[in-house]
Amino acid sequence: DQQVKQNSPSLSVQEGRISILNCDYTNSMFDYFLWYKKYPAEGPTFLISISSIKDKNEDGRFTVFLNKSAKHLSLHIVPSQPGDSAVYFCAACRSGGYNKLIFGAGTRLAVHP
Amino acid sequence: EAGVTQFPSHSVIEKGQTVTLRCDPISGHDNLYWYRRVMGKEIKFLLHFVKESKQDESGMPNNRFLAERTGGTYSTLKVQPAELEDSGVYFCASSRDSSLGSYEQYFGPGTRLTVT
Repeated sequence: DQQVKQNSPSLSVQEGRISILNCDYTNSMFDYFLWYKKYPAEGPTFLISISSIKDKNEDGRFTVFLNKSAKHLSLHIVPSQPGDSAVYFCAACRSGGYNKLIFGAGTRLAVHP
Repeated sequence: EAGVTQFPSHSVIEKGQTVTLRCDPISGHDNLYWYRRVMGKEIKFLLHFVKESKQDESGMPNNRFLAERTGGTYSTLKVQPAELEDSGVYFCASSRDSSLGSYEQYFGPGTRLTVT
């Protein structure tokens, strides 16, 4: 049973436009969410996170939105750059010592000129 | 600050053999985790150490896998005997004390294990 789902395996966006990556979760106990970026042959790199007490967190070109009632979060990248081309993983965890991250299957983003 | 390091980067072994993977976390990180990604699927949790103690080993697939973290510094993950389905990329991650309200984990580059 996949508790974190990324239903789009791939996304193609033109340079300069907005990239929107989506993630859904089923476990209402999750209260902390993270996005990781992964290049081939490297480990996942932490990008941005959000606590369930917030509905938005912004860091430069990256913004994560959380809709708790819909159990949905999204990552917005604007403007998209060719260097953003990578696989993006959504992850979730519970606070209070349950530190393990539950990952989605990833979305491969391609930003083309 | 040095990142999480893993050794070896790649290992090819035959079914039935033993392999030991090593992870050195970021200095000062009490939390250390092992994850595995099989066949390009999602990254799955294996276990979590707090210092030298196993906090959660609910993701360990079976008793052929043994993880240790003697002295609360580096960790090893041994697979004995290896089976074909153990092939995949094994990631190690570390994090600071989560009681501070931060749950970010920092990953190493992974060890690609191929069992033939």
